[in-house]
Amino acid sequence: ELKVEQNPLFLSMQEGKNYTIYCNYSTTSDRLYWYRQDPGKSLESLFVLLSNGAVKQEGRLMASLDTKARLSTLHITAAVHDLSATYFCAVHYNDMRFGAGTRLTVKP
Amino acid sequence: DTEVTQTPKHLVMGMTNKKSLKCEQHMGHRAMYWYKQKAKKPPELMFVYSYEKLSINESVPSRFSPECPNSSLLNLHLHALQPEDSALYLCASSQEVARRGYTFGSGTRLTVV
Repeated sequence: ELKVEQNPLFLSMQEGKNYTIYCNYSTTSDRLYWYRQDPGKSLESLFVLLSNGAVKQEGRLMASLDTKARLSTLHITAAVHDLSATYFCAVHYNDMRFGAGTRLTVKP
Repeated sequence: DTEVTQTPKHLVMGMTNKKSLKCEQHMGHRAMYWYKQKAKKPPELMFVYSYEKLSINESVPSRFSPECPNSSLLNLHLHALQPEDSALYLCASSQEVARRGYTFGSGTRLTVV
């Protein structure tokens, strides 16, 4: 059974700081996704990582994938309040399976 | 049109009611999905339709009944639900290969009273 583990589950950080969210998965997959969800809202696709060594950046967020280690990271650079949300990684095996999510709060 | 449209956005129903959730996409996607999301939890897969045929049913109780009338529409029929079924129900669609990820609808917030 595919397991997707994220950590940390809760992250409180100050504006301007850097931090990394980790996503480990248990089964070989070459497709990993990062989503953002604001409270009461649906899921917004951030990144799709399709191959080993893939790195994608959008603004203050950068995602990477190491398929050999079965690890993806979401790095936050110089956090701002607008980044406060829950971030999910998800792995596509036969279908999409989500990690538990990381609830990020960025404080002034 | 790059959206998945879900209706209604909010639904309150009694335990003896019958209601339906609707999902529509016009992106030519051939796979459609229903997810259930409880508060502060990740989405959990319920059903997958591929080319209008049910391909995955994640042991969902029979009080939830999916239907895919055509390649653009996906319904979720609800009957005799329990209060613990209250959740956000998300519909999603993807291309067959899903290389760009899933497109999620805005969800239906369901409350069972």
